[in-house]
Amino acid sequence: GENVEQHPSTLSVQEGDSAVIKCTYSDSASNYFPWYKQELGKGPQLIIDIRSNVGEKKDQRIAVTLNKTAKHFSLHITETQPEDSAVYFCAGNGSGNTGKLIFGQGTTLQVKP
Amino acid sequence: DAGITQSPRHKVTETGTPVTLRCHQTENHRYMYWYRQDPGHGLRLIHYSYGVKDTDKGEVSDGYSVSRSKTEDFLLTLESATSSQTSVYFCAISEQRGGETQYFGPGTRLLVL
Repeated sequence: GENVEQHPSTLSVQEGDSAVIKCTYSDSASNYFPWYKQELGKGPQLIIDIRSNVGEKKDQRIAVTLNKTAKHFSLHITETQPEDSAVYFCAGNGSGNTGKLIFGQGTTLQVKP
Repeated sequence: DAGITQSPRHKVTETGTPVTLRCHQTENHRYMYWYRQDPGHGLRLIHYSYGVKDTDKGEVSDGYSVSRSKTEDFLLTLESATSSQTSVYFCAISEQRGGETQYFGPGTRLLVL
């Protein structure tokens, strides 16, 4: 089945800098890759997603890139702000339209003012 | 939280007792999921449902059972709680096949003593 690895586990950046979180997946049949942001004490919230027929997607300061050949995808946050501090999770849907998402282990992002 | 509520939000129980967690949605979405979140493991799928009375196992289903008698409710039961089931439990919903665009509830924090 699908396995998703996420790095780094923690990331600290200065306000205004960029942050990059990387994920690799194992199942070449995966075709949907969402990213979630989880603030303390809350449930994960979808912030951006990408499908396998697209190489890059942007939404204001957030972008996601996908390399199907290498089976990895990345989240890029530019001009980071203190409110970006949270735990971020990547996921892949694996094969067979099973209705499942396989999540990475999470990255704790700290943006220092 | 996309019309999803979970109850209770916090629970402390003793080893060996049964526990039932409830997920309620007002979105009329077909798919519902139960995850557990533990440090270093991200979110792991316990069980999911693809319709009323249609359920299937996830990657960590041992010791858990589920029921879905109505579209809006998905129950997770720990038949005999163990300390290893101490965790934060999240419910998610999706209207799309393939696990796409899942929306999460606020979570239930369970402590098994």
